[in-house]
Amino acid sequence: LAKTTQPISMDSYEGQEVNITCSHNNIATNDYITWYQQFPSQGPRFIIQGYKTKVTNEVASLFIPADRKSSTLSLPRVSLSDTAVYYCLVAIYNQGGKLIFGQGTELSVKP
Amino acid sequence: DAGVIQSPRHEVTEMGQEVTLRCKPISGHDYLFWYRQTMMRGLELLIYFNNNVPIDDSGMPEDRFSAKMPNASFSTLKIQPSEPRDSAVYFCASSLSAGPRNYEQYFGPGTRLTVT
Repeated sequence: LAKTTQPISMDSYEGQEVNITCSHNNIATNDYITWYQQFPSQGPRFIIQGYKTKVTNEVASLFIPADRKSSTLSLPRVSLSDTAVYYCLVAIYNQGGKLIFGQGTELSVKP
Repeated sequence: DAGVIQSPRHEVTEMGQEVTLRCKPISGHDYLFWYRQTMMRGLELLIYFNNNVPIDDSGMPEDRFSAKMPNASFSTLKIQPSEPRDSAVYFCASSLSAGPRNYEQYFGPGTRLTVT
């Protein structure tokens, strides 16, 4: 049963823009899409949340197409400190709105 | 603001023993979540509460797991009896009500459980 799909890992260099996509075919209609960042030995930390179109805050942007079957987290000009695992969190409609974390994307930023 | 507090940070126990994990949410938050994280299964939602009432416990793996929230500032997750496959990091998170659609959760540092 498909839930969410994210790339397992990504590599980037300092100063580049990084885009991480999460596919979620059965997202609950009225729920937000949320992204988290996790460093080793720490709990996940909220980055950004959105419902549709584009949301931007001081650390990231979130792009959500009209069909809401995917979302893309955009990190502008990454630095070494952005090396972490990034998770999307959605509610899955055909599982009664159950909250599901994606499997996470391990981002490695190199100098 | 102290954030979400979890105790203990590390727990090593023998198979068959009872384990109790504790969580203090951020003051004023009315949602509390318990998660388990392993390499194989990633982050899994076990149960969550709203205003101290369990809302969804469908993620609790089996009857050996139980969770309570006797008041707004304290929750426990208990495993009895524990098994080696329960070894994982257990996270507690809390959030402020904007309905269940608000997933801006604040996570604690986690409890690393090892069952030998």
